[in-house]
Amino acid sequence: GENVEQHPSTLSVQEGDSAVIKCTYSDSASNYFPWYKQELGKRPQLIIDIRSNVGEKKDQRIAVTLNKTAKHFSLHITETQPEDSAVYFCAAALSGGYNKLIFGAGTRLAVHP
Amino acid sequence: EADIYQTPRYLVIGTGKKITLECSQTMGHDKMYWYQQDPGMELHLIHYSYGVNSTEKGDLSSESTVSRIRTEHFPLTLESARPSHTSQYLCASKGVGGPGELFFGEGSRLTVL
Repeated sequence: GENVEQHPSTLSVQEGDSAVIKCTYSDSASNYFPWYKQELGKRPQLIIDIRSNVGEKKDQRIAVTLNKTAKHFSLHITETQPEDSAVYFCAAALSGGYNKLIFGAGTRLAVHP
Repeated sequence: EADIYQTPRYLVIGTGKKITLECSQTMGHDKMYWYQQDPGMELHLIHYSYGVNSTEKGDLSSESTVSRIRTEHFPLTLESARPSHTSQYLCASKGVGGPGELFFGEGSRLTVL
């Protein structure tokens, strides 16, 4: 089955700096890669996703890149703000069947003013 | 309002008790999922359902069981709770079609004494 590894497990940055979180996946058939943000005490929410036919996607200060050959994808947050502090999860899924999302272990991001 | 609801939000019970965690969604989604979230963050898929009368076990072995008698309802049951079942349980749903956004409930935090 699919396995997703995520690094780093914790990340601390100064406000205004960039943050990068990296994930690798094992199943080359996976073709959907979302990122979820979970603030303390709240539910995970989708912030951006990318499909395997696209190499990069941007939405304001966040961007995701995908390298299918190497089977890894990354989340980039620029000009970080204190409200970006949260746990971020990457995930991978196959297009068929039950569309099971397999999550990485999570990255706890702290943005210091 | 279209959403996914979980009850109870918090539950503290003694060992050996039977418990049911309720999950209902008002979005008409066919796919529903249960994730177990460790105190250390990781999200593990324990059950999923494609539709009414369809249930499958996820990648993490769990002693819990689920049922899907109605589209909107996906309860999780533990016949005899143990301290090792202490965790947060997150229910999620997704609409028709290929991979896409998972909508999570707010979670049920279970503590077994």
